[in-house]
Amino acid sequence: DSGVTQTPKHLITATGQRVTLRCSPRSGDLSVYWYQQSLDQGLQFLIQYYNGEERAKGNILERFSAQQFPDLHSELNLSSLELGDSALYFCASSPTGTTIRNEQFFGPGTRLTVL
Amino acid sequence: KNEVEQSPQNLTAQEGEFITINCSYSVGISALHWLQQHPGGGIVSLFMLSSGKKKHGRLIATINIQEKHSSLHITASHPRDSAVYICAVTLQTSGSRLTFGEGTQLTVNP
Repeated sequence: DSGVTQTPKHLITATGQRVTLRCSPRSGDLSVYWYQQSLDQGLQFLIQYYNGEERAKGNILERFSAQQFPDLHSELNLSSLELGDSALYFCASSPTGTTIRNEQFFGPGTRLTVL
Repeated sequence: KNEVEQSPQNLTAQEGEFITINCSYSVGISALHWLQQHPGGGIVSLFMLSSGKKKHGRLIATINIQEKHSSLHITASHPRDSAVYICAVTLQTSGSRLTFGEGTQLTVNP
């Protein structure tokens, strides 16, 4: 158990809908990363938050947004869902966002299926 | 061309065999990570390396910065080692985000 929790574990929804994925980092970790794993693209970085502020952005679609709250949990919002958004979404946490050699601890993932 | 390349893509071994998975990268990195993804989907961090060699139980990871290459070795392999092994790097130009290889599917038969 990495200490990172994600809810829900599975999510099945329809095209055009909006969903929210939630992540709670390990106790004391200030940085949260969101990654997407799809069959055709593999694992890709989406976005990073550090202590409530956006730190880095990757291949995140405009239909997707995220935030990190004062208690450090993070939410990833996916809207106007398309079939191609079906994927495993992981969050990972690390103690800081400024030390580039930090190990990242992964949550169990949320499997999103868009029908 | 991907910044991180792994080989082989698939590997089948018999229980007890010594296994090597390779990772090459084409750009400057700050650190290299080896991750394990189980059939259920969960990802576990095995090693983080910036130089030299690390060992944990039957797993050994090495990195050669000059050659831009890393290897993950598994000694005395066991069916429970069956998983996808993923090499990931933090690029010198991209902060602490991870850039991933495509993974190596390892199957160890009893």
